[in-house]
Amino acid sequence: DQQVKQNSPSLSVQEGRISILNCDYTNSMFDYFLWYKKYPAEGPTFLISISSIKDKNEDGRFTVFLNKSAKHLSLHIVPSQPGDSAVYFCAARGNTGNQFYFGTGTSLTVIP
Amino acid sequence: NAGVTQTPKFQVLKTGQSMTLQCAQDMNHNSMYWYRQDPGMGLRLIYYSASEGTTDKGEVPNGYNVSRLNKREFSLRLESAAPSQTSVYFCASRVGSGYEQYFGPGTRLTVT
Repeated sequence: DQQVKQNSPSLSVQEGRISILNCDYTNSMFDYFLWYKKYPAEGPTFLISISSIKDKNEDGRFTVFLNKSAKHLSLHIVPSQPGDSAVYFCAARGNTGNQFYFGTGTSLTVIP
Repeated sequence: NAGVTQTPKFQVLKTGQSMTLQCAQDMNHNSMYWYRQDPGMGLRLIYYSASEGTTDKGEVPNGYNVSRLNKREFSLRLESAAPSQTSVYFCASRVGSGYEQYFGPGTRLTVT
């Protein structure tokens, strides 16, 4: 059973507007959450992370929010740029510290 | 600094054939991982190696074997390929104490 879920397979946003990508998880023992970005024919690259003891982490145009009670995290991109068009995966680290669980990905298209 | 490299980039196998996917990293990372990416399934962990000399099963280990040859190299072997193993395979590495994984460019495998 999928422990990390991204229920929106795709999202389209106008350039300059906010992109909000969502992720839900089921395991309350996850201690770190991460977002990766993936371009076609390339491996995923790390974007931003958040510890389970925080509720927000910001890095430039990217902000990740964590709602532990709802087991939900979201990635906000403001302002969105055409170069942000990619597949975004959320991931969670299990409590052993070695295993990571990935969502199914959301394909973001930023329209110029 | 090449990061994580994978060979080959593409491979076509017939059912029942065997092959080994190679992965190497030059970042002196302790942990290495093999994932497969399938449409609608995201990235799923096949095997991982938390440190040189150790390997552990992930979510989908059946039909695969791994070898952590040394700190740099982690190979994935398909002993008798099946069409269900058609996928894109990613190798990743991670500093022991960190949470961010660095991914290779992937190997696209087709089993006919």
